[in-house]
Amino acid sequence: GAGVSQTPSNKVTEKGKYVELRCDPISGHTALYWYRQSLGQGPEFLIYFQGTGAADDSGLPNDRFFAVRPEGSVSTLKIQRTERGDSAVYLCASSLGAASPLHFGNGTRLTVT
Amino acid sequence: DAKTTQPPSMDCAEGRAANLPCNHSTISGNEYVYWYRQIHSQGPQYIIHGLKNNETNEMASLIITEDRKSSTLILPHATLRDTAVYYCIVRHTQNDMRFGAGTRLTVKP
Repeated sequence: GAGVSQTPSNKVTEKGKYVELRCDPISGHTALYWYRQSLGQGPEFLIYFQGTGAADDSGLPNDRFFAVRPEGSVSTLKIQRTERGDSAVYLCASSLGAASPLHFGNGTRLTVT
Repeated sequence: DAKTTQPPSMDCAEGRAANLPCNHSTISGNEYVYWYRQIHSQGPQYIIHGLKNNETNEMASLIITEDRKSSTLILPHATLRDTAVYYCIVRHTQNDMRFGAGTRLTVKP
């Protein structure tokens, strides 16, 4: 079956620009997660949705980062006024619910020049 | 506040069993142990998870000590394609999947 799909796979943007990263979860998965991974490090938790609502956004680094999931399926991670330090791979995952494994997409590699 | 401790790297000969250790001495009674792996340029891949009992699936076996303070992931016959970073994670709640640095396993011919 189809897994978690993330688009684009690569994004290059200039410092100060706005970017949107999209995640299509596995059909029927109610929980959705965003992570960020820098080179040589493990994924870092950003935000978790249960349905349409953000149940935990404690990992968002600052108010330039925002995520939505308006219909409880597709999610968009939005980054305003990008900085070079935002360059990383942004990973999305979905799961059926509590105690179910997370299934990850292959990420969007964001490069801020 | 890392919940797990893993060696940074390990080598294994192709065809032999790979035994990856993980310490989680502060684990509480309702926390699960999860294992994921990540191959270069891909997202993390779920391998296996368990609470108290040993678990086995088509990918690996998970051995959890009786006191639950440590566990071992076993890949019974490692292949070159098993070269990856392996993450051991202790999970309490739905939003508590936190990754550490993992163990970089290199399978050598």
